[in-house]
Amino acid sequence: QQQVKQSPQSLIVQKGGISIINCAYENTAFDYFPWYQQFPGKGPALLIAIRPDVSEKKEGRFTISFNKSAKQFSLHIMDSQPGDSATYFCAASKRRGDYKLSFGAGTTVTVRA
Amino acid sequence: DADVTQTPRNRITKTGKRIMLECSQTKGHDRMYWYRQDPGLGLRLIYYSFDVKDINKGEISDGYSVSRQAQAKFSLSLESAIPNQTALYFCATSDAGTGGNQPQHFGDGTRLSIL
Repeated sequence: QQQVKQSPQSLIVQKGGISIINCAYENTAFDYFPWYQQFPGKGPALLIAIRPDVSEKKEGRFTISFNKSAKQFSLHIMDSQPGDSATYFCAASKRRGDYKLSFGAGTTVTVRA
Repeated sequence: DADVTQTPRNRITKTGKRIMLECSQTKGHDRMYWYRQDPGLGLRLIYYSFDVKDINKGEISDGYSVSRQAQAKFSLSLESAIPNQTALYFCATSDAGTGGNQPQHFGDGTRLSIL
């Protein structure tokens, strides 16, 4: 049973558009929420992460929005570029303890030129 | 050279065979993990190890075993492979760090097909 639910499964966006991926969790003990980016033939790599003491974190064109009361968080890719075409995974873990990551099912993003 | 190296990169084998997937790292990290990736299911944790003497089961450990031969090496075994173990397998490492979570660094995966 997946502890982190991710949607959509895939999305197609035009170059310059905004990609939005949503995740939801149930375990209120989670307090660390990273996003990983995976290109074909490669392993996932950390893209950006947020802790619940802030509602938003921005790094370049990538922004995480976090809603603690709704137990939801999302990744926004602004000005999407063809090089952003990849699979994105949200994840969650506890900040203390075993640090195990629970991953969402993944979203394949395709950016059309 | 890659910091986290998985061998082999691809493997095709038959039901009932014993398979070993190997992972080595040059990052000097204490923590190592094995995941499997299936379409629509994301990454699921099989086993993890926080140091050479510490091995823990993940959420889907049945049918798998691991060995932490050294700080830098962590191998995954399928004692008697079955077709539903066909998947993409990833090894990852992370630093112990202080004050909370550290990024996990993944290898490029082993694509395993069991006929």
